[in-house]
Amino acid sequence: GAVVSQHPSRVICKSGTSVKIECRSLDFQATTMFWYRQFPKQSLMLMATSNEGSKATYEQGVEKDKFLINHASLTLSTLTVTSAHPEDSSFYICSARPQGAPITDTQYFGPGTRLTVL
Amino acid sequence: EDKVVQSPLSLVVHEGDTVTLNCSYEVTNFRSLLWYKQEKKAPTFLFMLTSSGIEKKSGRLSSILDKKELFSILNITATQTGDSAIYLCAVDSFSGNTGKLIFGQGTTLQVKP
Repeated sequence: GAVVSQHPSRVICKSGTSVKIECRSLDFQATTMFWYRQFPKQSLMLMATSNEGSKATYEQGVEKDKFLINHASLTLSTLTVTSAHPEDSSFYICSARPQGAPITDTQYFGPGTRLTVL
Repeated sequence: EDKVVQSPLSLVVHEGDTVTLNCSYEVTNFRSLLWYKQEKKAPTFLFMLTSSGIEKKSGRLSSILDKKELFSILNITATQTGDSAIYLCAVDSFSGNTGKLIFGQGTTLQVKP
């Protein structure tokens, strides 16, 4: 089955630093990857849609200069949280849709990255 | 504004009970409705529903979609403690040449021994 990995699984950083999270599709190519954020006891909120070779599409209210997304290849998208603050502490999850998959095909989720900003 | 609403938000039952989780939606460009189970990490896929009235079944879990009334239910029969999790409903909405998932708030299910 389709596997999506994320690295790191857990990261603790100091306020003001930047953190990069990687999302990789291991056995398929993905032209589109998605980044979600989940706060405790809340649901997943889509942050942005990452398209290989083009700029990401951000959801309303998500600062593109703070959450930098790079989709450098068909198997890798990265999310960089710049100048992180404690309120950015959250569970970040990526998902990927296989290239060429039917539009109604499901997305495959990574295991998530728990970010804690001190 | 697109929205997906789940109910109840939380539920506590005992092993062996049957539960019904609800999901209603108002989403433009509907493509499909999906159910996920989330334990400690990322959601795991349960069902994808695209057509009304066709029940999908997997073991003790089943789900059905009503596109006229804009809702879906997820049934779990003979619940077990391992069913304790957050159940998420999401609607896949077509946008441009991609789709995006709009999630409901989730239903937290606790199954007691």
